[in-house]
This record gives sequence, C-alpha cells and structure tokens, in this order.
Amino acid sequence: SAVISQKPSRDICQRGTSLTIQCQVDSQVTMMFWYRQQPGQSLTLIATANQGSEATYESGFVIDKFPISRPNLTFSTLTVSNMSPEDSSIYLCSVGQGNSNQPQHFGDGTRLSIL
Amino acid sequence: AQSVTQLDSHVSVSEGTPVLLRCNYSSSYSPSLFWYVQHPNKGLQLLLKYTSAATLVKGINGFEAEFKKSETSFHLTKPSAHMSDAAEYFCVVAVSGGYNKLIFGAGTRLAVHP
Repeated sequence: SAVISQKPSRDICQRGTSLTIQCQVDSQVTMMFWYRQQPGQSLTLIATANQGSEATYESGFVIDKFPISRPNLTFSTLTVSNMSPEDSSIYLCSVGQGNSNQPQHFGDGTRLSIL
Repeated sequence: AQSVTQLDSHVSVSEGTPVLLRCNYSSSYSPSLFWYVQHPNKGLQLLLKYTSAATLVKGINGFEAEFKKSETSFHLTKPSAHMSDAAEYFCVVAVSGGYNKLIFGAGTRLAVHP
C-alpha cells in the first residue's frame, strides 16, 4: 500500500492564525481526501482534493476556511484558516484509487491545538 | 444513503479472551465494508475489507469479520485478545458509485486488561 507522510505531525497555534498541512504520497494516486477528527470523535470528511481543479467540499466545510491544493498526483495541502479553539482536532490525509471496493490508506495525521 | 452504527462505544476484555466489536450497516446497494484500527497518536490502519466476495473475511493480527446480509451486520471478532489490541476501532462503509468516499462509524474503544 502507499506510504503517506503528513507534516507537521503536531502543532500548537495561536487563534486567528493559519496553518498549512502537507500530505505526500510515495506513488501516484487517483484520489486524495482530507478528514477531521475532533477530540474523542470519529472521522468526518472535509473534502476531496482534485488534481488540477478545485476541491469538492462536504456539507459544513467551505473553501475560505479550508483551502486545499493538489498540484499533482502525489501531493496535497490543507490550510486551516483564521483558527479558533474549535479547530483543535486531528487532520488526516488519505488516498484511494477511486473505486469503492478498494480501501483508503491514511497518514498518521496532524494533531492541531489552538490556544 | 449508506450509514454504519457501532453498537458499543467501549468494550473491555481480559487478555486471552475473545473480542467482539459490533457493527450494523445500512445500504441500498451491496456495500463495501471495512474495519480500521487507530492506536494512540497514530493514523488509521486497515484491518480487513469486505467487497462482495467471501462473507467471512480474515484480516491482519488475527481479526476477522463476517458479513451477514440478513442481519445487516459486519461484526469484528478475534479469538484471543492481546494487550497490543487496545485501540479505537472504526467500522466503515464506502459510498456507492465508485467515488471511494467513506462513511465512518462512531468508533469502539477496546480496552484489554491483564
């Protein structure tokens, strides 16, 4: 399976600032996804990162708050903008090949705390 | 629309005893189902997947799950728990249509006692 590297692994940020999280895959993948896992909660899909076009956001998530880039088939970034304490979560990148029969593979996540 | 319900938020077992983590699903189509495990401060690791082949699916670390269409269940089992099995477990259904989108259950925290 693909090896997925996320940076940073954790960070503590001040409210009102922004942080960009990077996701690098060791092979080309069709689909890249970004999830949020709030403390003690399950995973919620933020958006699907589309190569060469705008990301597809899920209900409740907007581009101004979570801008996403995907310049090629092995790399994506998620920015958490104008952060507040409510944004304290684990943010996870995952990859898939666009087939619902195939599992997604996840990075180790970015643990973000907002003061 | 697809959904999954994990029936237990916490399960506690003694080392060496069987593990049962329960999951019910809802799907209009023949679903693709997965179990993932999340150890503390780690990402998610795939344990096993069901994709309409054999109904009894074997995964890593001695885990297996049985797909029962009549009961809309996909329970995860292991004959003998090990201390290293203590983690959060997620039952997941894939959204039909080939988009590779996943819907996660709420998770079950497994504690293993000596």
